[in-house]
Amino acid sequence: DTEVTQTPKHLVMGMTNKKSLKCEQHMGHRAMYWYKQKAKKPPELMFVYSYEKLSINESVPSRFSPECPNSSLLNLHLHALQPEDSALYLCASSLSDSGPYEQYFGPGTRLTVT
Amino acid sequence: KQEVTQIPAALSVPEGENLVLNCSFTDSAIYNLQWFRQDPGKGLTSLLLIQSSQREQTSGRLNASLDKSSGRSTLYIAASQPGDSATYLCAVRWSGNQFYFGTGTSLTVIP
Repeated sequence: DTEVTQTPKHLVMGMTNKKSLKCEQHMGHRAMYWYKQKAKKPPELMFVYSYEKLSINESVPSRFSPECPNSSLLNLHLHALQPEDSALYLCASSLSDSGPYEQYFGPGTRLTVT
Repeated sequence: KQEVTQIPAALSVPEGENLVLNCSFTDSAIYNLQWFRQDPGKGLTSLLLIQSSQREQTSGRLNASLDKSSGRSTLYIAASQPGDSATYLCAVRWSGNQFYFGTGTSLTVIP
């Protein structure tokens, strides 16, 4: 099973709301990633978790808060977002974050901030 | 600075034509390079992964090559079909745990 799942598929939230995005994989991968992608742009790395520990935070604003409760699950908690945060949020995983391993992506969550 | 470039940004070809997509990178000391396909509003689908020790990888009508010394990879698509229309992204991993993405090539195959 080479699948990464993401929920929800679509999310509309106001600037004062709190919501969470969820990502799950059951491939035994120990590295998980959050990316943000704006229209017609490549994905931009936000966070990397390695063995359930945050290893990279690409200077992401604190209104985005990642969490890795276990090796299969990755959450992204959202609070007080801005309209410019509207984008496709992609989760990915790989066997390890160090080494020549393939990345597998989920289908993404389309987020609209109103 | 590690950068990945894809040219052209957009490409239109008639159905049945063979085509080549290009990916250039600034530092030859890569771990691996991965080619992805992305349909509008969807996630990324992995097409091929080439390790630094490999020269090429093949899957069906797709063939990816790697020339580290010149900092280039190409994705060859044989006998293109309208269903191949999508954006193609290459991503390079150097040391460390990040993939660096190119800006993508938007491919349209005209029936």
